[in-house]
Amino acid sequence: QVQLQESGPGLVKPSETLSLTCTVSGGSLTISSHYLVWIRQPPGKGLEWIGSIYSDGSTYYNPSLKSRVTISVDTSKSQFSLRLSSVTAADTALYVCARRGHTSIPHWGQGTLVTVSS
Amino acid sequence: DIVMTQSPLSLPVTPGEPASISCRSSQSLLHPNGNNYLDWYLQKAGQSPQLLIYFGSNRASGVPDRFTGSGSGTDFTLKISRVEAEDVGVYYCMQALQNPLTFGGGTKVEIK
Repeated sequence: QVQLQESGPGLVKPSETLSLTCTVSGGSLTISSHYLVWIRQPPGKGLEWIGSIYSDGSTYYNPSLKSRVTISVDTSKSQFSLRLSSVTAADTALYVCARRGHTSIPHWGQGTLVTVSS
Repeated sequence: DIVMTQSPLSLPVTPGEPASISCRSSQSLLHPNGNNYLDWYLQKAGQSPQLLIYFGSNRASGVPDRFTGSGSGTDFTLKISRVEAEDVGVYYCMQALQNPLTFGGGTKVEIK
């Protein structure tokens, strides 16, 4: 059974860089041949796709965040990471990593709350 | 970007009664391969979303058959034939046709 677990600081200061890692475990081909996704959800609000990375390193970012986002993958560790620079209070959210199937998203992490505050 | 619009925003339901949620997209989600790239997810309180329906009408593994997805192109519907207490939460539609992936605003289903 595929499992995803986010890790990283829960508190980030304004203007600094948010960094999170997602570890994928269980099942075969945990990372290979899959799109890996970061999604966020501000408190009490809806879902926003941040971006995706394929196992070959190809990336796709939400245009609204593109200038600040970097997603990378380490297939040897079955991990992929998110970096979001120049954060503000508007970036406070539950950050969730996920793995896409062919098109849909059947596998989700539990999410980690990141608060941007001084 | 493809804009996804859900209605209603809130849906109070009586257990055992049916429920229906609408989702509209600003562009057709019908792929040349014949599939509609529209998913439905349920987010229960304190949990991440779980996949219910993919390709507009295919139930994901383990999803009860009281959940039915229908529609094509730009208009889609999720129906629950008989709502159970465990069905409460926020339902989201999501278009998977093109990046950026976009979600509807959500429909909160609660028991009356």
